Amino acid sequence: DGGITQSPKYLFRKEGQNVTLSCEQNLNHDAMYWYRQDPGQGLRLIYYSQIVNDFQKGDIAEGYSVSREKKESFPLTVTSAQKNPTAFYLCASSPTRYYEQYFGPGTRLTVT
Amino acid sequence: AQSVTQLGSHVSVSEGALVLLRCNYSSSVPPYLFWYVQYPNQGLQLLLKYTSAATLVKGINGFEAEFKKSETSFHLTKPSAHMSDAAEYFCVVSDPGNNNDMRFGAGTRLTVKP
Repeated sequence: DGGITQSPKYLFRKEGQNVTLSCEQNLNHDAMYWYRQDPGQGLRLIYYSQIVNDFQKGDIAEGYSVSREKKESFPLTVTSAQKNPTAFYLCASSPTRYYEQYFGPGTRLTVT
Repeated sequence: AQSVTQLGSHVSVSEGALVLLRCNYSSSVPPYLFWYVQYPNQGLQLLLKYTSAATLVKGINGFEAEFKKSETSFHLTKPSAHMSDAAEYFCVVSDPGNNNDMRFGAGTRLTVKP
């Protein structure tokens, strides 16, 4: 089955700790994206990558970092510099940047 | 930059009634337009998309949307609501002036009453 997997589904961390969210796709898509979702605000783009070893900041990149060492994988690290990290994080991919995006099931991160 | 507005953060309909979720975009250049659905604690699923072919677009689960350039609108409809349609719906527009970045509306939560 082709698709996007995100793990874990729920993640709990203490304030001040970095945490890495996993995103893997087997759709052979070139482009991958990370979004943050907060209640009543829709989705906001954190980072995107169009090809391996290249990525660009989105609208709210501060306090986050990514890597794209393999086509299939686009992990997101939420650093201690992110002031309000508790949110629902969604990973997506598309064949190229100009096609509709396919979403993973999301990771709900809670930082206390 | 392109923006998208969804009128009504919450819409409630009775089972069997018409569903109408409103979406307006800001660009004078016809963009690509999408509707996505999100069930609680899940990712987003594509319902339908407009890519400058037919103005009336049919999607999954009986939904359709009509692109109206004169009104800069892309409203989502379904003739008869089902309980399983209860979810959050997002209108999304690509921004041709900004690398085709996807811009998400704030979402409309649909409640279906028995």
